[in-house]
Amino acid sequence: GAGVSQSPSNKVTEKGKDVELRCDPISGHTALYWYRQSLGQGLEFLIYFQGNSAPDKSGLPSDRFSAERTGGSVSTLTIQRTQQEDSAVYLCASSPRTGPNTEAFFGQGTRLTVV
Amino acid sequence: AQKITQTQPGMFVQEKEAVTLDCTYDTSDPSYGLFWYKQPSSGEMIFLIYQGSYDQQNATEGRYSLNFQKARKSANLVISASQLGDSAMYFCAMREGPPSASKIIFGSGTRLSIRP
Repeated sequence: GAGVSQSPSNKVTEKGKDVELRCDPISGHTALYWYRQSLGQGLEFLIYFQGNSAPDKSGLPSDRFSAERTGGSVSTLTIQRTQQEDSAVYLCASSPRTGPNTEAFFGQGTRLTVV
Repeated sequence: AQKITQTQPGMFVQEKEAVTLDCTYDTSDPSYGLFWYKQPSSGEMIFLIYQGSYDQQNATEGRYSLNFQKARKSANLVISASQLGDSAMYFCAMREGPPSASKIIFGSGTRLSIRP
């Protein structure tokens, strides 16, 4: 596609339910990143993928959070037993290669609200 | 460990004036890249400008320039002739090489407001 696509754009869920957030990166991009942005705050790194593997999962807040990437393309971020503090915008980004001189292209984000 | 610091939570600037947004970073890796992104109220992240650690000249992109002072580990963004549409959050970010450590870390951001 033309850009990074995330779905759904908005998700309201009840506390304790599981949610899945999807990211379709730009075709051919090998690196994929997930970030979380709480209201008025900066971007908190969650996890990044190089191909299907995740060299750095250090940002995942707890074991309720997991992510996978299949076929070197689509990625899913899963949050189990959601809590109110999980409410935030979840941003996905992709870049065509790793290394220091490559910017990341962002999707529009998924706004998650846990009630 | 990587660290990006933006010390200006908010700034107000008169339209048509130049503005400098501060960013300092900390890394022990000699190879790294520095980025600036703009996030308007719509929420999208817009890439503005990139500076490589080995680049000899400061990066420029239209009205944006990056004042790169490597010894001081600073990478300030300069916006010339500010416009009302420049009102947004601005984030400084860094990526270290090599590819095995390729996450991008963001600063806390600066909210820029342009006064007419």
